[in-house]
Amino acid sequence: EVLMTQSPATLSVSPGERATLSCRASQSVSSYLAWYQQKPGQSPRLLIYGASIRASGVPARFSGSGSGTEFTLTISSLQSEDFALYYCQQYNSWPPYTFGQGTKLEIK
Amino acid sequence: QLQLQESGPGLVKPSETLSLTCTVSGASISSSSYYWGWIRQPPGKGLEWVGSIYYYGSTYYNPSLESRVTISIDTSKNQFSLRLSSVTAADTAVYYCVRREWGAFDYWGQGTLVTVSS
Repeated sequence: EVLMTQSPATLSVSPGERATLSCRASQSVSSYLAWYQQKPGQSPRLLIYGASIRASGVPARFSGSGSGTEFTLTISSLQSEDFALYYCQQYNSWPPYTFGQGTKLEIK
Repeated sequence: QLQLQESGPGLVKPSETLSLTCTVSGASISSSSYYWGWIRQPPGKGLEWVGSIYYYGSTYYNPSLESRVTISIDTSKNQFSLRLSSVTAADTAVYYCVRREWGAFDYWGQGTLVTVSS
């Protein structure tokens, strides 16, 4: 099973600034990596797949990068609606698909 | 617009079987492009993939749950279902039904909380 580790657990950033979230895989997952956003009381929403491809309707301020074992989600200029939980997920080696434990992005 | 909707009991007794159904609207569940499945999230915790099914019935389960999980599909009703046997309090979670495209889960139901308690 591929273990996904996200850092930091909590990230405090001011609106308008850049946020950088990290995800590390215990073994290479190539570019088979997705990012999700979850707001309180809501279902997760797919943001990025293929490590860097934005899902339909996702604003351009969200970008993903990386391959192998190290990945980054960058939000270029934080809007109020971006403060949420973010999860990474690998789909290179399954079953099982595995998720990171999440990064909480909070307002500084 | 594709929609997924979970349904089923919100309370299950320990040692009994959890049963949920996902009704898909806005698209045919028989499309060869997609897998359908279940992901769960215990209260205040992260996401755990439970299992997935292809339209003609091939299934894939999380090894940690495989001995207790069955996912089935009914293409005539555009539905798929989850059964999880011998439940304990550790199975208390919000259960989401999902569509998988290219490995990522692009559509999610609203989720249904299932509590295991006597």
